[in-house]
Amino acid sequence: GNSVTQMEGPVTLSEEAFLTINCTYTATGYPSLFWYVQYPGEGLQLLLKATKADDKGSNKGFEATYRKETTSFHLEKGSVQVSDSAVYFCALSDPRGGADGLTFGKGTHLIIQP
Amino acid sequence: GAVVSQHPSWVICKSGTSVKIECRSLDFQATTMFWYRQFPKQSLMLMATSNEGSKATYEQGVEKDKFLINHASLTLSTLTVTSAHPEDSSFYICSARERTSGRYEQYFGPGTRLTVT
Repeated sequence: GNSVTQMEGPVTLSEEAFLTINCTYTATGYPSLFWYVQYPGEGLQLLLKATKADDKGSNKGFEATYRKETTSFHLEKGSVQVSDSAVYFCALSDPRGGADGLTFGKGTHLIIQP
Repeated sequence: GAVVSQHPSWVICKSGTSVKIECRSLDFQATTMFWYRQFPKQSLMLMATSNEGSKATYEQGVEKDKFLINHASLTLSTLTVTSAHPEDSSFYICSARERTSGRYEQYFGPGTRLTVT
């Protein structure tokens, strides 16, 4: 079956630090990959996505590249801000593998200190 | 755009009673809605997929008679937890896929916290 593994948190960084949150996946088909962000008290929001190998998703300074050879979709940002503090979820959708809903990782709580 | 609401945002009920949670797409039509369950510090687990006008498809291990899903219109899906027990206490989140959007994008509601006493 499908699964997503992401690094455990919380991850605590200082403002302007470089961020990497690792995400690897297992899928039976050819998944699309996503990063969602959940700010305190709010619902999940799509941060970025990539639908095929070697695609790079980017938004708000965050980037992630779909690496089929390493089955990874690591999230990066060059300089984080306090406002980036949230929980980040890596997810995949694999409808051709029979899974129409999203399969999520456990989430990584990111804390940015001023 | 693409806003999904849930009601109530939190609910406390007694063991043995039933609770209904609503999920609405406010500014778009959703042919497909998904229901997820999230335990503390854990991932979201897909419970079921519902398509407007048809029966929901439940994931393995989810009791369809306990978690009743009705997707009666293109903007509303409901999840009813029947004969709730303390182990049903959880955070329930819905998402909706817009009718005209790309196949893979879902918009999430803010979630409903259910506590069964």
